[in-house]
Amino acid sequence: DTGVSQNPRHKITKRGQNVTFRCDPISEHNRLYWYRQTLGQGPEFLTYFQNEAQLEKSRLLSDRFSAERPKGSFSTLEIQRTEQGDSAMYLCASSLDRVDYGYTFGSGTRLTVV
Amino acid sequence: GEDVEQSLFLSVREGDSSVINCTYTDSSSTYLYWYKQEPGAGLQLLTYIFSNMDMKQDQRLTVLLNKKDKHLSLRIADTQTGDSAIYFCAVYPYTSGTYKYIFGTGTRLKVLA
Repeated sequence: DTGVSQNPRHKITKRGQNVTFRCDPISEHNRLYWYRQTLGQGPEFLTYFQNEAQLEKSRLLSDRFSAERPKGSFSTLEIQRTEQGDSAMYLCASSLDRVDYGYTFGSGTRLTVV
Repeated sequence: GEDVEQSLFLSVREGDSSVINCTYTDSSSTYLYWYKQEPGAGLQLLTYIFSNMDMKQDQRLTVLLNKKDKHLSLRIADTQTGDSAIYFCAVYPYTSGTYKYIFGTGTRLKVLA
């Protein structure tokens, strides 16, 4: 078990470009979460998958953001037409189907929009 | 909605105890967690407590929960320089239809040698 893996670790993009991040959860975890963390803040919830079904989305997830989890394994988070306000650390976490278990987080993808 | 608050900074001397505090608003928060984040890294789960417990001890960590005041604390005994990090309190408001944890803004712990 190698933990939750996120790629890339860092991404610098020009405003207006599209970016896609990937998350590979722990293999036996059926729950997968995306959070966003800006400097000096705690993680903010973006979306949640149980297996391949996207069961909850935050209003932070505007129509420029889309997330998928095909076949209930890895997940991708795409941001279209990036804006400078999208600069943040994007964190992926996974867990077993037990609310008391807590999340296992990946190391995150740091996005910088210039 | 749920709000979770923490003080921003704490500085202690090596070997002393650290106490990091957290307050929350939703009385239905059933599960409460402490996470640690080191620079450039993701969050690491340290410990958790259920709302039917008042205290939980795990090696150098002691979690205290005051449900009446909606106050959670994390005590780190014999604090070491390796404990320097940001500590996040997170709550799971067990209301129907939500799966998300709500995180506080984090407390930056600095341990002085």
